[in-house]
Amino acid sequence: QSVLTQPPSVSGAPGQRVTISCTGSSSNIGAGYDVHWYQQLPGTAPRLLIYSNFLRPSGVPDRFSGSKSGSSVSLAITGLQAEDEADYYCQSYDSGLSGEVFGTGTKVTVL
Amino acid sequence: QVQLVQSGAEVKKTGASVKVSCKASAFADYYIHWVRQAPGQGLEWMGWIIPNSGATNFAQKFQGRVTLTSDTSISTAYMDLGSLKSGDTAVYFCAISEAPGYFYSWGQGTLVTVSS
Repeated sequence: QSVLTQPPSVSGAPGQRVTISCTGSSSNIGAGYDVHWYQQLPGTAPRLLIYSNFLRPSGVPDRFSGSKSGSSVSLAITGLQAEDEADYYCQSYDSGLSGEVFGTGTKVTVL
Repeated sequence: QVQLVQSGAEVKKTGASVKVSCKASAFADYYIHWVRQAPGQGLEWMGWIIPNSGATNFAQKFQGRVTLTSDTSISTAYMDLGSLKSGDTAVYFCAISEAPGYFYSWGQGTLVTVSS
């Protein structure tokens, strides 16, 4: 049971920009806890894409960016490429549950 | 970067238990997390263990049914899930963080199939 809500799917043509929102509550994102993002290609383990709201691990293209403003967080992919077709998950900490929580996941389709 | 290698797929009967291992290329003051993903579903955090101290924390849903242990001599963490139900059929991942927070390295996943 995910406590962070994401749109089920987003799509865009190659080269376009897409954004994925992640909505939480006052016990997680709204409480100021950091948000992290993962990319999961079909049949593989998730890969860390963005950490601490907007930081990129080495090796992640700068086409991926994260933002957080108050309780609103999002992941943006600019210059969409075919290889970006995957599932994307946000993750944060929830003080009410005393543990980590994931978003519901968003499937990105490149048209 | 720490690499994680998990044990192979398991098939279990309802009511049985399963133990999945996760071997790290190195152990330090890390948190080893366990995350599962049912077929076609999203990611679900189960809990963490700090191998160097044995401290654990579990998602409320799994308290009492999951045991997390580690053997620092072989840099391996274990997840033991008991009283298996068909709904426990999933891929189980281990992942590593330096503190409660983001998971910067993941194991390849272990498929656990539960059938009657």
